[in-house]
Amino acid sequence: QVQLVESGGGVVQPGRSLRLSCAASGFTFSSYGMHWVRQAPGKGLEWVAVISYDGNHKYYADSVKGRFTISRDNSENTLYLQMNSLRGEDTAVYYCAKDRGYSDVWGKGTTVTVSS
Amino acid sequence: DIVMTQSPDSLAVSLGERATINCKSTQSVLYSSNNKNYLAWYQQKPGQPPKLLIYWASTRESGVPDRFSGSGSGTDFTLTISSLQAEDVAVYYCQQYYNTPRAFGQGTKLEIK
Repeated sequence: QVQLVESGGGVVQPGRSLRLSCAASGFTFSSYGMHWVRQAPGKGLEWVAVISYDGNHKYYADSVKGRFTISRDNSENTLYLQMNSLRGEDTAVYYCAKDRGYSDVWGKGTTVTVSS
Repeated sequence: DIVMTQSPDSLAVSLGERATINCKSTQSVLYSSNNKNYLAWYQQKPGQPPKLLIYWASTRESGVPDRFSGSGSGTDFTLTISSLQAEDVAVYYCQQYYNTPRAFGQGTKLEIK
């Protein structure tokens, strides 16, 4: 079945880095753009970044621009989010989601906590 | 950037009654070349990821009960649950996919009265 599974979350100190992964299965990963969306504790959904199906086009929320990098490996059916210079306000559950304009498939999320 | 604003922030409705959630965008999400509104609705239950309910403002996703409907065009949209069931308790979000950043509304928490 169609599935997205995030991994790589954890507790990290401010200023450090973390890389999230999202493993896709059940659909032709290389045909779809992919998003990262996050949700801080008790808060709403915040769109973070999108990457085109071929990885050639990437867009970021202003809140993460210059610190986060979205990438993908279509040979491994995996989406990544490299997060550098992490801040307390980056603490959130991070979801990957398949792009059809709207997002019809979401992973269960991975939790990132930025704390000293 | 397009900003999405939902109203109300929270809503309590009796079982079997109608629930209505509104979503307003700061600019039109209607693409004139195809006459489609680039607006989606999601449902999120506690501890779960969002679930797609409606896309193109009014197209129900496969498997979504027909008590859920979406309407509106341009900048003003509505999600209606015609007869509230206990399992509909959740937070509902609208999202525009007309351009990036792909903004979400702040969410509307729906509870049972």
